[in-house]
Amino acid sequence: QQQVKQSPQSLIVQKGGISIINCAYENTAFDYFPWYQQFPGKGPALLIAIRPDVSEKKEGRFTISFNKSAKQFSLHIMDSQPGDSATYFCAAKGSARQLTFGSGTQLTVLP
Amino acid sequence: NAGVMQNPRHLVRRRGQEARLRCSPMKGHSHVYWYRQLPEEGLKFMVYLQKENIIDESGMPKERFSAEFPKEGPSILRIQQVVRGDSAAYFCASSPDQGRGHRFGPGTRLTVL
Repeated sequence: QQQVKQSPQSLIVQKGGISIINCAYENTAFDYFPWYQQFPGKGPALLIAIRPDVSEKKEGRFTISFNKSAKQFSLHIMDSQPGDSATYFCAAKGSARQLTFGSGTQLTVLP
Repeated sequence: NAGVMQNPRHLVRRRGQEARLRCSPMKGHSHVYWYRQLPEEGLKFMVYLQKENIIDESGMPKERFSAEFPKEGPSILRIQQVVRGDSAAYFCASSPDQGRGHRFGPGTRLTVL
């Protein structure tokens, strides 16, 4: 029940295209859903986050869509750039303070 | 405004030795978390600490692993008698409160020979 399932495992997108990464959860007590971006050899960096009382949040080229009834949320990267090539992790937090992470999506944006 | 600091960045140990990983949280953050990342996997929670207190160690292996966050100085993750399966990246994160806004350090990559 504590799992967060993330797909796809890897994604290849052309420059200028839209990258979409999906996550699903079971625990309805989760109340905070961040996305992290990780480059090789670096720590995860907070990209954008959403709470379940909001269906969508946009920051620049990055948008989170949240479907509370389906217990799913997704990250959309508009106008994808080669510099966006990284591993993306979704996560969720409930009453416990720690984050539960998805397994990650390796995004490659072709020039 | 320095972020979360971790050292060493890389650590090589032989089987049976001890590994000590250090983490200094961001200024103003009093909550520290340790996560482990195995190759090609996501991060797994290990332990959550506040100053001088372990709040949640439900993700920590029962043996050989310990963590502390003393009143003064960095948080320490200690692994005794390391085995090859301990080879991983260990990340520290800190937050000001409520667990939101985790900020991660650059990690310590432990290699056990």
